[in-house]
Amino acid sequence: GAGVSQSPRYKVAKRGQDVALRCDPISGHVSLFWYQQALGQGPEFLTYFQNEAQLDKSGLPSDRFFAERPEGSVSTLKIQRTQQEDSAVYLCASSLDRANTEAFFGQGTRLTVV
Amino acid sequence: SQQGEEDPQALSIQEGENATMNCSYKTSINNLQWYRQNSGRGLVHLILIRSNEREKHSGRLRVTLDTSKKSSSLLITASRAADTASYFCATPSAGYSSASKIIFGSGTRLSIRP
Repeated sequence: GAGVSQSPRYKVAKRGQDVALRCDPISGHVSLFWYQQALGQGPEFLTYFQNEAQLDKSGLPSDRFFAERPEGSVSTLKIQRTQQEDSAVYLCASSLDRANTEAFFGQGTRLTVV
Repeated sequence: SQQGEEDPQALSIQEGENATMNCSYKTSINNLQWYRQNSGRGLVHLILIRSNEREKHSGRLRVTLDTSKKSSSLLITASRAADTASYFCATPSAGYSSASKIIFGSGTRLSIRP
């Protein structure tokens, strides 16, 4: 497709369950970002990839959060043993090269932990 | 760790009026971006202004950047109902670093009254 695609759009998980969120960036985009957005707030940075290299994971809130981009294209954000505070919209964005250029966002995955 | 902060947090105006939103940031930057987010959707890039630019236009949008005051403004002229959305400014977290992440403010929620 022409844009950034995220799946699933909605995910309901029971507390303690593991989840995996997928992001298909725009083809050829080198940079990929994951953000977490709580209701009524701005997106909070989680992690950043340049190709397959994870250059910054300083925003990951705990070691239950793990992201990968093994072949430099599709990325997966995994949350282990989900907690209620993990409920949020998870946004993925990609950009052509570095972080200082326009980023294209997917529609997000709304995660609800019950 | 927010780099940019928007002001006001919420703004309600009559259709046809102009809307002005402001953003202040903390560290030196080489560019600043504005994004729009409709309810329940991903973010859409509106405009990028570089540090050597003072003003930039795109359709009904006008963005200014004052690097001495570390502030930017977004003006939407002749507002329409479809402009109802949240607007975010975004800046690189590490100034001129090529590997810096994009940091968002908490946003301005704009409502256009018919």
